[in-house]
Amino acid sequence: SYELTQPPSVSVSPGQTARITCSGDALPKKYPYWYQQKSGQAPVLVIYEDSKRPSGIPERFSGSSSGTMATLTISGAQVEDEADYYCYSTDSSGNHWVFGGGTKLTVL
Amino acid sequence: QVQLQESGPGLVKPSGTLSLTCAVSGGSISSSNWWSWVRQPPGKGLEWIGEIYHSGSTNYNPSLKSRVTISVDKSKNQFSLKLSSVTAADTAVYYCAKEIAAPSGYWGQGTLVTVSS
Repeated sequence: SYELTQPPSVSVSPGQTARITCSGDALPKKYPYWYQQKSGQAPVLVIYEDSKRPSGIPERFSGSSSGTMATLTISGAQVEDEADYYCYSTDSSGNHWVFGGGTKLTVL
Repeated sequence: QVQLQESGPGLVKPSGTLSLTCAVSGGSISSSNWWSWVRQPPGKGLEWIGEIYHSGSTNYNPSLKSRVTISVDKSKNQFSLKLSSVTAADTAVYYCAKEIAAPSGYWGQGTLVTVSS
């Protein structure tokens, strides 16, 4: 079955840029989405359709992709950005969605 | 604003069937949207279970397809999940959601289902 691969953890100091990657064979043709999940809470969409930011999401969150890799960038990461981040996309059929394994972002 | 609320037994016996319902308020389930189920085992990542369109069309996670049924009840404005032949590995927080892949999406708060005798 289709898989999206993320690094288990990323660590940055406050104010630095955090980059979280997601690789998948179908990403050249299928949009990636990014979810933020804080402890004990439901996930929140922070980037959709590769690089679009939902209303209310800070401008420091951005998304990009190149080939089979998508990247979530948090420019000037804040302590409150500490969370698990999941990429989300479909397989080549478009009918089966998949979450990446998740990346724990530490900001300290 | 749309709100989703999961409900169902918090404890299911091994080999039994897990049944959950997601009540939708603040909007009609008959709108042109996909309605989804996602789960998260304790301390682990998110797993997409499947989705249903208001017309009844469904898509399922291939790894769960043989055990999963998602249905919609327009008269009650709700949709449901049934997962058969459960084991301890199915213990998770189960979320229902509207339009996961859209900025207009909504998620329920999640409900913990434990599989244990």
